[in-house]
Amino acid sequence: EAQVTQNPRYLITVTGKKLTVTCSQNMNHEYMSWYRQDPGLGLRQIYYSMNVEVTDKGDVPEGYKVSRKEKRNFPLILESPSPNQTSLYFCASSLSGTGANQPQHFGDGTRLSIL
Amino acid sequence: AQSVTQLGSHVSVSEGALVLLRCNYSSSVPPYLFWYVQYPNQGLQLLLKYTSAATLVKGINGFEAEFKKSETSFHLTKPSAHMSDAAEYFCAVSESDSWGKLQFGAGTQVVVTP
Repeated sequence: EAQVTQNPRYLITVTGKKLTVTCSQNMNHEYMSWYRQDPGLGLRQIYYSMNVEVTDKGDVPEGYKVSRKEKRNFPLILESPSPNQTSLYFCASSLSGTGANQPQHFGDGTRLSIL
Repeated sequence: AQSVTQLGSHVSVSEGALVLLRCNYSSSVPPYLFWYVQYPNQGLQLLLKYTSAATLVKGINGFEAEFKKSETSFHLTKPSAHMSDAAEYFCAVSESDSWGKLQFGAGTQVVVTP
């Protein structure tokens, strides 16, 4: 089954404790992206990757890191999490970008609470 | 730079009534436009997309949207609401197939009443 898998689904942690949210897709997609969803703000793009070793900032990259060492995986790293990073996070992938014939496939989300 | 505005964070409709969700965009080039739906505790699913082939776009579950360049709008409609349409709906815009930036609106929560 074609899917985007995020782990963990839920995480409660404390300020400053490094964490990684993993994202994996099994569709051989080149494009992957991370979003955070906050009430009243919709989804805001954190980082995206057009291919292996090619990443770029979205609209809200501060406090986050990503890497794309292999095509299927695109982990999101919070090196020193802070309470303002408490949010619902989504990973998405598509064949090669964000154009008309590039529907995004979303994971089920990761709810992060940082105390 | 691209941006998208959804008018109305909450919409309440009666079952069987028209659903109308408004989306206006800003783009320096002909945009790619999308509507996504999010059911509770799930990720987003594509409802429909504008590809420039036709201004009236039909999507899944009886939804359609009309691209109006003069109004920079891409409003979503469904003639008759079902209880299963209760969800959050997001409009999104991209300026390029190969650029990678996708901008979402703030979302509209739809409540369907019997």
